[in-house]
Amino acid sequence: DAGVIQSPRHEVTEMGQEVTLRCKPISGHDYLFWYRQTMMRGLELLIYFNNNVPIDDSGMPEDRFSAKMPNASFSTLKIQPSEPRDSAVYFCASSPVDFYEQYFGPGTRLTVT
Amino acid sequence: ELKVEQNPLFLSMQEGKNYTIYCNYSTTSDRLYWYRQDPGKSLESLFVLLSNGAVKQEGRLMASLDTKARLSTLHITAAVHDLSATYFCAVDAGNTPLVFGKGTRLSVIA
Repeated sequence: DAGVIQSPRHEVTEMGQEVTLRCKPISGHDYLFWYRQTMMRGLELLIYFNNNVPIDDSGMPEDRFSAKMPNASFSTLKIQPSEPRDSAVYFCASSPVDFYEQYFGPGTRLTVT
Repeated sequence: ELKVEQNPLFLSMQEGKNYTIYCNYSTTSDRLYWYRQDPGKSLESLFVLLSNGAVKQEGRLMASLDTKARLSTLHITAAVHDLSATYFCAVDAGNTPLVFGKGTRLSVIA
C-alpha cells in the first residue's frame, strides 16, 4: 500500500484566498483524522471521520475551516478565507477499525502571506 | 478528559549515553503508542504497547508500559546522532481518538 497520500505537499497563498488540502487514506481504514501542527501549539486534532461521517469537529478553529469526506478514499480540508495565522503543517492520518494506531501522511506545509 | 504529559520536552544528550523519556497519562488505558518525527517530516510509528507490562525493543530504543502507574517509558541506550528527532507518545482512551503528548525533542551531540 502507498500509505496515506496528501496533496499538495507545499502551498503558498495570499491572505483571503481559499485553500483546499487533500487526503487519500489507506485503503480499508475506517477512520480519518486531520491534524494541524505548529511550533506554538504542537499537534492539534481538528476533525475526524468514521466511515466517511464527521464524528467530532470540535477542534476546528473557526467557521473558516471545513472538511468533507465524500467517499472512503478521499477527504478535503478547506480554509476560506485563509489568514496568516493558518500557516502550519496539516497532517492527515488514518486508522483501521476502532481507535488504533494511526498512520500519518507526509503533511501539507501551508504558508499564508 | 485524558491528559498526556511527556518529560522532558527537550533533551540534549551526548553520544554513547543512556536516557529515559517519560509519558504519564491521567485515565485508565492499556494502549499506548510511540511515534518519531524527524525535522520537516511526518510522524512514524515506533512502538505499539497493548497491555500492562508490554515491552518492545528496536535497536537502541526500548519502550515499556505500566498501566497501573499510567506510565510509559522510552529508554535510549548508547545514543547515536541518528536518534535525534522528536518523540511523541499517544494514548488510546478507548472511545476517543488518540491523545498525543507535546513531544520530546531529542538532540544527540558528539
